[in-house]
Amino acid sequence: QVQLVQSGSEVRKPGASVKVSCQTSGYNFANYGINWVRLAPGQGLEWVGWISSYNGDTKFAENYRDRLTMTIDTSTTTAYMELRSLKSDDTALYYCARAPPIVGGPGDHWGQGSLVTVSS
Amino acid sequence: NQLTQSPSTVFASVGDRVIITCRASYNINEKLAWYQQKPGKAPKLLISRASLFESGVPSRFSGSGSGTEFTLTISSLQSEDFAVYYCQQNNNWPPNTFGQGTKLEIK
Repeated sequence: QVQLVQSGSEVRKPGASVKVSCQTSGYNFANYGINWVRLAPGQGLEWVGWISSYNGDTKFAENYRDRLTMTIDTSTTTAYMELRSLKSDDTALYYCARAPPIVGGPGDHWGQGSLVTVSS
Repeated sequence: NQLTQSPSTVFASVGDRVIITCRASYNINEKLAWYQQKPGKAPKLLISRASLFESGVPSRFSGSGSGTEFTLTISSLQSEDFAVYYCQQNNNWPPNTFGQGTKLEIK
């Protein structure tokens, strides 16, 4: 069955970086993309970005364009999200979700979430 | 493209019919999805393209609409349906905007 398993909780100081992994299985990785979505405390879901496992194309939410890197490793069918210059309001649960390969679309299978805490 | 859900919170009882609305600031055709999220769990995709069910979603859930106005209807609430519901558009992207969420609580 389709599974997305994310890396564990991370604690970082303001200004640092964090890299979250999303290991996938149970489907043809190259035929889909990956959405990254976050849920901050007391807030709603926020779309962060998308990467195509088909051709490596990326799309970003404007707020993250300058400090977000999304990558894929097709050999291990794993997606990565690295967020730099962390601020306290980047504290959130970060989710990966399987998405269409070429254009934007909903996530039909989700990881369990990775908690990132930014605190001095 | 902004998505506005209403109401923000709805109180209902088991067996009630509940309608949640999602309005887009401009035409998104039928490129709208609905998710359910329970505390401590990842979101679950219920409906894509405004009205297409995902596999395994109970038939008491239905979606409709196109253009700028969409609805998610739960025909007869069950206890497991109390959760937060989000709409998301993918017509004008990036970004794939989410609505602010609707919390469905027990009356």
